[in-house]
Amino acid sequence: AQRVTQPEKLLSVFKGAPVELKCNYSYSGSPELFWYVQYSRQRLQLLLRHISRESIKGFTADLNKGETSFHLKKPFAQEEDSAMYYCALSGVADKLIFGTGTRLQVFP
Amino acid sequence: DVKVTQSSRYLVKRTGEKVFLECVQDMDHENMFWYRQDPGLGLRLIYFSYDVKMKEKGDIPEGYSVSREKKERFSLILESASTNQTSMYLCASSPGPGGYIQYFGAGTRLSVL
Repeated sequence: AQRVTQPEKLLSVFKGAPVELKCNYSYSGSPELFWYVQYSRQRLQLLLRHISRESIKGFTADLNKGETSFHLKKPFAQEEDSAMYYCALSGVADKLIFGTGTRLQVFP
Repeated sequence: DVKVTQSSRYLVKRTGEKVFLECVQDMDHENMFWYRQDPGLGLRLIYFSYDVKMKEKGDIPEGYSVSREKKERFSLILESASTNQTSMYLCASSPGPGGYIQYFGAGTRLSVL
């Protein structure tokens, strides 16, 4: 079955600390993985996708097929990174399968 | 910029009422989706549509129906609202086929009393 697991509901760090939001997936085939972010009072939006191999707002994510993981990382967290983060997997027929989300809180 | 517009930001309805949530996108996208977003449960797909007059059930379609009479508009209908349908509802669109990036509306927070 296709599934995305985000084990942490809440991750709290201090400004300047490294951040890693975990995402594991189960999928047979070659999936496309995404991270979406929702800042307070804003709409859900794409942060990055694995095929782009970009760094967006200092965040990176590497697809590890052996560990079936797509963890989101940032070396130095900023207060403006506080948001809800969702990992998503491309399913059949253009659908996305979302994880349950991780709320990141960055304290000053 | 892709624009996905949901007609209401907040709605308060009574149990048993018929509720319409409207969503319009302006980028000629083929695919449109309705999700509900609940704390701890993430986004759950209710219904989606690949084309006009076409609809497919998602993971939690019970108690909901949809309508897509025009390509740019996708409506979610609660035939008889119940308190357990109190939630945040998100509409999204994506180009298709093979277009996985979804663009979301601002959401409608529905309270059913």
